[in-house]
Amino acid sequence: DQQVKQNSPSLSVQEGRISILNCDYTNSMFDYFLWYKKYPAEGPTFLISISSIKDKNEDGRFTVFLNKSAKHLSLHIVPSQPGDSAVYFCAASLTGGYQKVTFGTGTKLQVIP
Amino acid sequence: GAVVSQHPSWVICKSGTSVKIECRSLDFQATTMFWYRQFPKQSLMLMATSNEGSKATYEQGVEKDKFLINHASLTLSTLTVTSAHPEDSSFYICSASGPLDPYEQYFGPGTRLTVT
Repeated sequence: DQQVKQNSPSLSVQEGRISILNCDYTNSMFDYFLWYKKYPAEGPTFLISISSIKDKNEDGRFTVFLNKSAKHLSLHIVPSQPGDSAVYFCAASLTGGYQKVTFGTGTKLQVIP
Repeated sequence: GAVVSQHPSWVICKSGTSVKIECRSLDFQATTMFWYRQFPKQSLMLMATSNEGSKATYEQGVEKDKFLINHASLTLSTLTVTSAHPEDSSFYICSASGPLDPYEQYFGPGTRLTVT
């Protein structure tokens, strides 16, 4: 049972344009969401997170939007750069002090120069 | 930022042997460490969660007698794959979190295990 889903396995975007990566979740108890970036043969790197009490969080070129009613979140990268090419994982967790994180299946982003 | 290291970065072993992978938090005390496994084109699958000084909590479907996890100190956790088989070949990643921010997980670089 995949509780966190990223339905687009891959995405190609021109350099300078916006990249939008989508994520859906099924467990309404999730209340903290994270995005990670991962290069091949490396561990994931934390990018940005958002609490369920917010609907938007911005950090430089990265913005995460959360729509709780739709159980949907998205990561926007503007402007996209070739160095952004990687696999992006959406993840969700529950409060209560337990840090177990459930990952989505990932979206491979390719930014074309 | 916090740094987590893993050793070795890659290992090749023969079927039936055991392999130990170390995960260290270099500049913070990791109260909780997690072990993940990644199959090609699939998500990171949580294998187990370990708290320092206590037994690891394994996810459903993970054989605890096959994947031995020890979290002996606040900076070191080890994963031992016992009696390895070719189907155990995978990319194993650890992560660690500290007491200050329970939602932040810092990931190690991963270990590529190939069982021949």
